[in-house]
Parts: sequence; structure tokens; C-alpha cells
Amino acid sequence: DAKTTQPTSMDCAEGRAANLPCNHSTISGNEYVYWYRQIHSQGPQYIIHGLKNNETNEMASLIITEDRKSSTLILPHATLRDTAVYYCIVRFLYNQGGKLIFGQGTELSVKP
Amino acid sequence: GAVVSQHPSRVICKSGTSVKIECRSLDFQATTMFWYRQFPKQSLMLMATSNEGSKATYEQGVEKDKFLINHASLTLSTLTVTSAHPEDSSFYICSARQGANSYEQYFGPGTRLTVT
Repeated sequence: DAKTTQPTSMDCAEGRAANLPCNHSTISGNEYVYWYRQIHSQGPQYIIHGLKNNETNEMASLIITEDRKSSTLILPHATLRDTAVYYCIVRFLYNQGGKLIFGQGTELSVKP
Repeated sequence: GAVVSQHPSRVICKSGTSVKIECRSLDFQATTMFWYRQFPKQSLMLMATSNEGSKATYEQGVEKDKFLINHASLTLSTLTVTSAHPEDSSFYICSARQGANSYEQYFGPGTRLTVT
């Protein structure tokens, strides 16, 4: 699976959009971009995933660049409860063993 | 959404004893379950993958005789930390996947193990 690079930490004001970038320059054609988040001392929570088209659900939007070498997770109106570590993971949809390998992630702090 | 539970949520044990952690998929059948370990301020590290009815596959560097994994049914996997030492103190998280063609992986709430 391709490796990802994320900023270590970011701050965001409550009510504003949080834009979390992820670089995955070695992504292959069949690999998807997944986002999970982990609130302190809890298990990770699935947010969204996509291949090449932009995706939106009730939690967030995922913008993938045309060359697929980077993506941005957007939380449109961040709240204090969105404070968490956000993980960008690249993997095949049905990869061998279905393993999710976590990098270091971005620690997002939403401030009042 | 699918729910994965873990029991216990917290456990304290003495050095040299063994402790078992249970992971259950509550509303779906999990053909594959995964066990992760997370030290403070670090990311999740995959320990092993288990498929129902077969032996677990351990990641490089993880001692299979120390971390015994059993996936005896489609809704239950257990992780036993044998002869625990203080360095085994960590946050253990399980995850479950519904089937070979399912991409979604659901995570449990984690178990905080402290070895004294």
C-alpha cells in the first residue's frame, strides 16, 4: 500500500471549515484514499473514502486532485467534538488481508 | 452502523500473569478481525489478522506465543497477553470486517491494559 504524508498538527476555529491535507504521491491506479479519525482514548472511526471523484457524506467532503497524488479532507463546520487525530490511509479496496495500516496522522485541535 | 465491542475496557494485572481481551461484532458476522496496539502519543500498530476458524497471521516483530489470538466464531475474537510485563501496558484495539468483499472495517472502543 502507498505511503501517506500528513502535517503533524493543525488548529481550527470552531464553526470554520477544517481542511486536512494528505500527500500520497506513490498511489497506484487501483488504490483508494480512506480517512479515519480517533478521538482520544477511543477506537478509530471511519469518515469517508474515495478513488478519484470528490466524495461527500454527512460527516465530511473528500477532494482528490486530478493526478490523485494528494487529497484534502474537509470538515465544513468544525465543532469542538471534531478534535481528534485524523488518519489518511491509501489502500486497495479489497487488498490482501484487508489490512488498514495507520501512519502518524494529523492532530486537529478545534478551538472556541 | 456496525458495532464492535471489547471487554474489558480497562484491566490492571500483575507482572507474569495472563490477561484475555474479548472482541465481539454485535450485529454482523466478522470473517476477519484485526488486533492493533497503541502506545501513548503514537499511532496504531497492527499486530495480527485473524480469520474465523484459522490461525492468525502476525505482523513482523509480534510474538505469536506471547499474544495468543483465537477467532473461534464469526462474532468473537480473543487476544490473550501471556506472562504480561510492564512494557506490554498499552491500548489494545480490535477491528472487524464483515466479509472478503467488504471494504468497511469497524473498530472497537479499545482496552487499556496496565501491567504492574
